[in-house]
Amino acid sequence: DAGVTQSPTHLIKTRGQQVTLRCSPKSGHDTVSWYQQALGQGPQFIFQYYEEEERQRGNFPDRFSGHQFPNYSSELNVNALLLGDSALYLCASSFRTPQETQYFGPGTRLLVL
Amino acid sequence: AQSVTQPDIHITVSEGASLELRCNYSYGATPYLFWYVQSPGQGLQLLLKYFSGDTLVQGIKGFEAEFKRSQSSFNLRKPSVHWSDAAEYFCAVGAAHAGGTSYGKLTFGQGTILTVHP
Repeated sequence: DAGVTQSPTHLIKTRGQQVTLRCSPKSGHDTVSWYQQALGQGPQFIFQYYEEEERQRGNFPDRFSGHQFPNYSSELNVNALLLGDSALYLCASSFRTPQETQYFGPGTRLLVL
Repeated sequence: AQSVTQPDIHITVSEGASLELRCNYSYGATPYLFWYVQSPGQGLQLLLKYFSGDTLVQGIKGFEAEFKRSQSSFNLRKPSVHWSDAAEYFCAVGAAHAGGTSYGKLTFGQGTILTVHP
């Protein structure tokens, strides 16, 4: 049973560019959440997708957008990249129940130059 | 708003010694509480979770945590640390779905880096 997978593992971009990160949830999971983890910090919630809609959003600008596909996989898009967007981007999947437990993927390391 | 404080940025213990990592949370209702561990350059692995019931929760790798509502704490413990436990540990709080406006979102602490000396 595959866990949460993310691609790519590493990415280097320059300021102003756009990036797309991908996530495949754990088998049986229908909800995907995205987190940003800056160096030396705890993960910060970006948004969550359920039934192909953004269910909840954290304090991130509109440059951060996402999508969920019918097979529950998800993409995170970041436009107009800033140096400060350099971070580890973590995807977590879960099954929508009152006692939801999120399982994390290995992350995508993004470096913005 | 929910928040988590992990007072200890870095803890060093000797192999075989006991361990306690502190976590204090702020949340208006009964929280869902989690401990995750992260090895360098890796994602987060779930160690244990508390939703309700017994306040002493057992997890993987010999870890346990105790929920103390009166102290708003959820400290992680292990009686005998192994060198392979060296990693960064994160406490997180989530909200129940029913009536919660922030359900689904996990709020993490800053993390505690654990170093294990042989």
